[in-house]
Amino acid sequence: DSGVTQTPKHLITATGQRVTLRCSPRSGDLSVYWYQQSLDQGLQFLIQYYNGEERAKGNILERFSAQQFPDLHSELNLSSLELGDSALYFCASSSTGVETQYFGPGTRLLVL
Amino acid sequence: QKEVEQDPGPLSVPEGAIVSLNCTYSNSAFQYFMWYRQYSRKGPELLMYTYSSGNKEDGRFTAQVDKSSKYISLFIRDSQPSDSATYLCAMSAYGETSGSRLTFGEGTQLTVNP
Repeated sequence: DSGVTQTPKHLITATGQRVTLRCSPRSGDLSVYWYQQSLDQGLQFLIQYYNGEERAKGNILERFSAQQFPDLHSELNLSSLELGDSALYFCASSSTGVETQYFGPGTRLLVL
Repeated sequence: QKEVEQDPGPLSVPEGAIVSLNCTYSNSAFQYFMWYRQYSRKGPELLMYTYSSGNKEDGRFTAQVDKSSKYISLFIRDSQPSDSATYLCAMSAYGETSGSRLTFGEGTQLTVNP
C-alpha cells in the first residue's frame, strides 16, 4: 500500500458526460501528479500541483482540468468525454525535495 | 522519436534466471532514474531509484545508470514467478523542491515460469 488513495476504482459513463476523479496523497506530501495510461500511449503525465498551485502541465486536453484543495487532496475533472478518454488514471504524490513518486491504485474509466 | 525507449517484450524466462531489462533515452537533462513494477494494470510500485550514474543494489535487484550512453538497466537475480509483471523505467530532469514530472518507457512485460 503506497498510502495514496484514489476514488472511484471504476467508472463507466457515456460520451459527452463529465466525471470527477479524486486523489488523496500520502500524509505530508505536498506534490500531486496525474497520469493517464492507455493501451497505446503508456503512462503519460497530465498535470502537477504543489501545495495548491499548478506547477507543470503535460499533454492535458482542454476538456480536462484539475485542482488541489487546502487539505491537499486533488480532483481531476474530465468533461465532454469521448471514447478515446477510456483509460487508467493514476495519481501520484511526492515529498518536498524528493524526486520519487508513489502511485495510487488508479481509476479505470470506461466511456461508452 | 520517443524520449524514452523500452522494449515492450514480452519476455519469458524460467524460474531462477537472471533477468535484464533496459531503457535508452535521448534527453541529456534526465538525472533521476526509477524502475517501477506494475501488476495487471494496478498502480505502479516503486522498485529502485538512482540519481545520476552508477549502480544501486537492493536484494535481488540491481539498477545501473550509464549517462554517457544514455542507457539504464535493471537486473533481477534468482527470478521468481511472483516477479511476473510489467516493468516500467521512468526518468525526471529537475531536482526542484516541488518535484518534477516523470517520463516513462512503455514497459516490458515479464513472465517467470515455474
